[in-house]
Amino acid sequence: ETGVTQTPRHLVMGMTNKKSLKCEQHLGHNAMYWYKQSAKKPLELMFVYNFKEQTENNSVPSRFSPECPNSSHLFLHLHTLQPEDSALYLCASSQGNGETQYFGPGTRLLVL
Amino acid sequence: AQSVAQPEDQVNVAEGNPLTVKCTYSVSGNPYLFWYVQYPNRGLQFLLKYITGDNLVKGSYGFEAEFNKSQTSFHLKKPSALVSDSALYFCAVRDLSNYQLIWGAGTKLIIKP
Repeated sequence: ETGVTQTPRHLVMGMTNKKSLKCEQHLGHNAMYWYKQSAKKPLELMFVYNFKEQTENNSVPSRFSPECPNSSHLFLHLHTLQPEDSALYLCASSQGNGETQYFGPGTRLLVL
Repeated sequence: AQSVAQPEDQVNVAEGNPLTVKCTYSVSGNPYLFWYVQYPNRGLQFLLKYITGDNLVKGSYGFEAEFNKSQTSFHLKKPSALVSDSALYFCAVRDLSNYQLIWGAGTKLIIKP
């Protein structure tokens, strides 16, 4: 599990705050992903980066802004979130797009 | 449309008994199928995958899955359950149009001593 790390593990923020989630992979992979996980629902793919280029954006609201400065790091910038955005946010990486994904432990986000 | 279904929200099994967690899929073409496990307060861990070849795939922690093309199923199995197998299990299939994974809603597996 230490192949993909995420910080912070827990985050509480108000609707007017700005915060960022960080993900780092130590596996030498070329693709990175952000997912949203809500209870009893399938994982929702938010963004995909392949070789630092965004290749998927699944109609995610603009209050979520991803950044991928290099193949090892992925950020999710958050601003003016809504309570319904409270969830577990998971980062994953894979060698190539569509190959086996390896996940970080997630950031548990609570929006008040 | 491509989809994955995990028909059981929860499966209860006594320790030492065999377990099965069901998954069915709908995809055109040859599917790539995956199983992942999520322990409390952890991310998802890869268990096994089917791409081609032998219909019985062996994975981590003694789990295996059987690909059945005629029934479009990929059920996860283990001959003898352990209490430590209690977790949330996710099935996924690769979307052939964009190579992204389509996920099931998950099945909570509870193994009772």
